Amino acid sequence: GEDVEQSLFLSVREGDSSVINCTYTDSSSTYLYWYKQEPGAGLQLLTYIFSNMDMKQDQRLTVLLNKKDKHLSLRIADTQTGDSAIYFCAVLSGGSYIPTFGRGTSLIVHP
Amino acid sequence: DAGVIQSPRHEVTEMGQEVTLRCKPISGHDYLFWYRQTMMRGLELLIYFNNNVPIDDSGMPEDRFSAKMPNASFSTLKIQPSEPRDSAVYFCASSLYNSPLHFGNGTRLTVT
Repeated sequence: GEDVEQSLFLSVREGDSSVINCTYTDSSSTYLYWYKQEPGAGLQLLTYIFSNMDMKQDQRLTVLLNKKDKHLSLRIADTQTGDSAIYFCAVLSGGSYIPTFGRGTSLIVHP
Repeated sequence: DAGVIQSPRHEVTEMGQEVTLRCKPISGHDYLFWYRQTMMRGLELLIYFNNNVPIDDSGMPEDRFSAKMPNASFSTLKIQPSEPRDSAVYFCASSLYNSPLHFGNGTRLTVT
């Protein structure tokens, strides 16, 4: 089955860019998602990209997809302390109804 | 749209007691999922339903866990008897086919 890997922690300074990386194993992936989880809350869909796209931009968020390397990244420009949260990568493989989630990356933003 | 609604938000119970967690999915969604989140294991899929029918319960840890979906707008996850190792945050999520999952705010369960 699909395996999705993320690093567990990322620490950045306020105002810098953050890049959260994710790798996956199934080349038949169709949809790739980024979720954000703030303390005490559920996972909130941030953005997603179709597998036939290389890039998607939405305000401060940029998603890059490298299908050859099976690598997905989320870039947050001008990171703010309010961006501190856990970010989950999730991949939906072809023929599956259920996305596979990574372990989540804790983003810590220092003032 | 009120989103996925879970209750209670927090539950503290003693070992051996029965616990029932509740979920109201987004109206019109035909898939419902129950997840468990812990520091050790991350996010684990316990069971999911399609059109109120359980499709895959292979993630349910033991027979002490059971889930039902009596209608399209309500699901329960029951643990009987509860044990301290069941302490976790339990999430319910719903979706349409091939669409992103929408999560509730979770139930934090503490079993003492």
